[in-house]
Amino acid sequence: QSVLTQPPSVSGAPGQRVTISCTGGSSNIGAGYDVHWYQQLPGTAPKLLIYGNTNRPSGVPDRFFGSKSGTSASLAITGLQAEDEADYYCQSYDNNVSALFGGGTKLTVL
Amino acid sequence: EVQVLESGGGLVQPGGSLRLSCAASGFTFSSYAMTWFRQAPGKGLEWVSTIDIGGGPYYADSVKGRFTISRDNSQNTLYLQVNSLRAGDTAVYYCARLLNWGSTPYNWYFDLWGRGTLVTVSS
Repeated sequence: QSVLTQPPSVSGAPGQRVTISCTGGSSNIGAGYDVHWYQQLPGTAPKLLIYGNTNRPSGVPDRFFGSKSGTSASLAITGLQAEDEADYYCQSYDNNVSALFGGGTKLTVL
Repeated sequence: EVQVLESGGGLVQPGGSLRLSCAASGFTFSSYAMTWFRQAPGKGLEWVSTIDIGGGPYYADSVKGRFTISRDNSQNTLYLQVNSLRAGDTAVYYCARLLNWGSTPYNWYFDLWGRGTLVTVSS
């Protein structure tokens, strides 16, 4: 199935830990393609946050963690800060669609 | 500074055309595949088209036959010719630099994004 499923929204208080899930299928994550995550702050372009399931580009705080297992992946954010309020997208390659994104998750910092 | 900058968006009537441009600087443009994405108002990200370093194009089914991606390595510029525009094509169009993770072919991800250019299709 050529879909990556994310929860529409998550929330947490400052300092807490939140996780965002990304569930795929046999034509994308399950086919062995890796998962990448992007952060989109309000009114701005997406920014690469995690690549290759677990790797952070230079400049991304170590509060952001990625993981992958089977046909799913997760993004964890620890020590939540107000500046983390944004939309988060997972992305993988799909045999049917090429670059495939999840629907996005809106993170609200309470 | 390493960056990409889109231009060429605007208001166009249904059935009309535009040419979007993406000017790259600060890196060896010819060594990278490049990609166009779009984001409709209030919606998520959608892959539109990719061009590899040899000029080979890839298109989403939703734009195949209407959009044409190209590149001019001498000008460090990526293009997207968008024809037969429909209301559903209304979106911010982003260009991005493509990288491949590991040794698996097509394990694409995108490390450098522009600020986007807005295309509005309306009569």
